[in-house]
Amino acid sequence: ETAVFQTPNYHVTQVGNEVSFNCKQTLGHDTMYWYKQDSKKLLKIMFSYNNKQLIVNETVPRRFSPQSSDKAHLNLRIKSVEPEDSAVYLCASSPTGGVAEQFFGPGTRLTVL
Amino acid sequence: QEKVQQSPESLIVPEGAMVSLNCSFSDSASQSIWWYQQHPGKGPKALISIFSNGNKKEGRLTVYLNRASLHVSLHIKDSQPSDSAVYLCAVSDNNYAQGLTFGLGTRVSVFP
Repeated sequence: ETAVFQTPNYHVTQVGNEVSFNCKQTLGHDTMYWYKQDSKKLLKIMFSYNNKQLIVNETVPRRFSPQSSDKAHLNLRIKSVEPEDSAVYLCASSPTGGVAEQFFGPGTRLTVL
Repeated sequence: QEKVQQSPESLIVPEGAMVSLNCSFSDSASQSIWWYQQHPGKGPKALISIFSNGNKKEGRLTVYLNRASLHVSLHIKDSQPSDSAVYLCAVSDNNYAQGLTFGLGTRVSVFP
């Protein structure tokens, strides 16, 4: 049963365009994450958000920015996409504290031409 | 920075066989080790986690953790074609906000 929803499923765009991906979780969790899964299938953490506060910002390019309206939503905006941004972007959520399980959405596949 | 390495890269087994996956990690302070399953076009789904040295069994899954050797293994008994997927090992530290550090995964194919 899906409890972390992502839109769109996939997006094709050209270099220099701006894109935005949406994520919503219905689990009541306090913490949400964005991961990037590259062509080798390696998942790397990009951001985590807790109660609308950015907790961790890994060394991602400044053109990436997370946006949150409430604890159930965490969107990802890319200001000016580059070819190396082509990847699957996965959203996840978890309860705050400890080492609780993270629940992932199905991902958004971005292709930059 | 934490590193997670998995072996083998891929595995092909007949239905009913035992599947054995390995994972090594670099930081002995890692809190928990997770195994996730990822089917094509889907997000990862947590299968089982372990914190303490020793083993843990849930259904067909058994996980073994040896902190001294920084090694964890996952064993899937009586494998089914539906077990065909990529299996990801992930470690977390004290700070949940750091997210999980993943390995590259092992692709498992179970043929009927």
